Order: sequence, then structure tokens, then C-alpha cells
Amino acid sequence: AQSVSQHNHHVILSEAASLELGCNYSYGGTVNLFWYVQYPGQHLQLLLKYFSGDPLVKGIKGFEAEFIKSKFSFNLRKPSVQWSDTAEYFCAVTSFQKLVFGTGTRLLVSP
Amino acid sequence: EAGVAQSPRYKIIEKRQSVAFWCNPISGHATLYWYQQILGQGPKLLIQFQNNGVVDDSQLPKDRFSAERLKGVDSTLKIQPAKLEDSAVYLCATAGSRGQETQYFGPGTRLLVL
Repeated sequence: AQSVSQHNHHVILSEAASLELGCNYSYGGTVNLFWYVQYPGQHLQLLLKYFSGDPLVKGIKGFEAEFIKSKFSFNLRKPSVQWSDTAEYFCAVTSFQKLVFGTGTRLLVSP
Repeated sequence: EAGVAQSPRYKIIEKRQSVAFWCNPISGHATLYWYQQILGQGPKLLIQFQNNGVVDDSQLPKDRFSAERLKGVDSTLKIQPAKLEDSAVYLCATAGSRGQETQYFGPGTRLLVL
């Protein structure tokens, strides 16, 4: 069965620092890839998604992710984080039409 | 466009009691999902509906959990009887029916079983 690994459970950064959150999945067939974000007190929101085409995907709020098929990875990046990026970030992969989530990474950005 | 609505937002019950959660999807969304999110984990799919039919309920603990979507719109998820380990956030998500659809999530119902 498909599984998703997020390497960092907790990340603490200062404002303006660069961010990279790791995500790896186990099944190498055709997959759709997502990053969702959950801000404090809010519901899960889509940050960006990859279905096909350009492996470098740009999402909302300056986030981007790169799909590297050979590494089964879909890492999330942002060049300069803001305090408002404090949230929990979930990587998710569709496999056989089922969405499988990673365990999430809690990001705390200190002002 | 209105989002996915869920109620109640919070529920506290004692073990062995029953509880029900309600979800109203985004208008026109044929696919509806219920997820369970235990603290410290990612959401785990419990059941998927396409209109009023069940597509996947392989991870639903059917001895105590049930779900329905009778008219293909609103859905309810029930737990009877609840156990301590059912304490979690129950998320409803909906999507269109064209295959590669993004899922949109509701705010969730936070359940605490004492």
C-alpha cells in the first residue's frame, strides 16, 4: 500500500529564513501529489498540487514544490518564510484514487 | 462559493455512548470523503461516496462506525458505541467526479471520548 513520509515533524525558523520540507512516497506508479496546509484554528487548505507536466509547481503564498520521480519525492520550498506561515503542512499522494497523507510537519516561524 | 460545512464542531461523550457527525458538501460535488485524524497523525480515509453509493469503505471499522449519504448530498457519520481510541478530528472532504479532482476539506468535528 502507498505510504507517505515527512521527515521533519517539527521545524522552527526565524522570519526570512528559507524553508524546505521533505516528502517521499513509496509507490512508483502514476500518482498525483499535493501539499495541504492547516493554519491554527483553520481547516485544511490546498497549497499546491502536481498532476502532470512541469515538475516544478508553484502554489499560493510563494510556496513551490518539485516532483522528482526518480527519488519518489515532492519537497516543499519557500525562499523566505513569514510569521504567518506558522502552520502544519501535510504532503499527500493519490494512489488508486485514494488520498494518502503523511504525518505532517509543524512549522513555527518566530518573528 | 460556500465551503464544506460540518457540525458539530466539538463533541464530548463518554465511552459506549453514540455520536453522529454531519457534512454538507460544496454544491455540485459528487464525491464525499470522511477522514479520521488522530492527534499527531495525518488524516486517514474512512469512507468514500460517489453520489449516494459507497466507493471505498475498506478502512471503516464497520462494527461501530456507519455512514450514509442517502440523497447524494449531505452525509452523516455515526459511531456506536464509542471507544476511547475514537477521540480524533473527523474531517469531511468533497470533490467533483472527474477523477483527478482536488479534495476540499471542512473544518472538522473534534471528538473527545472520556
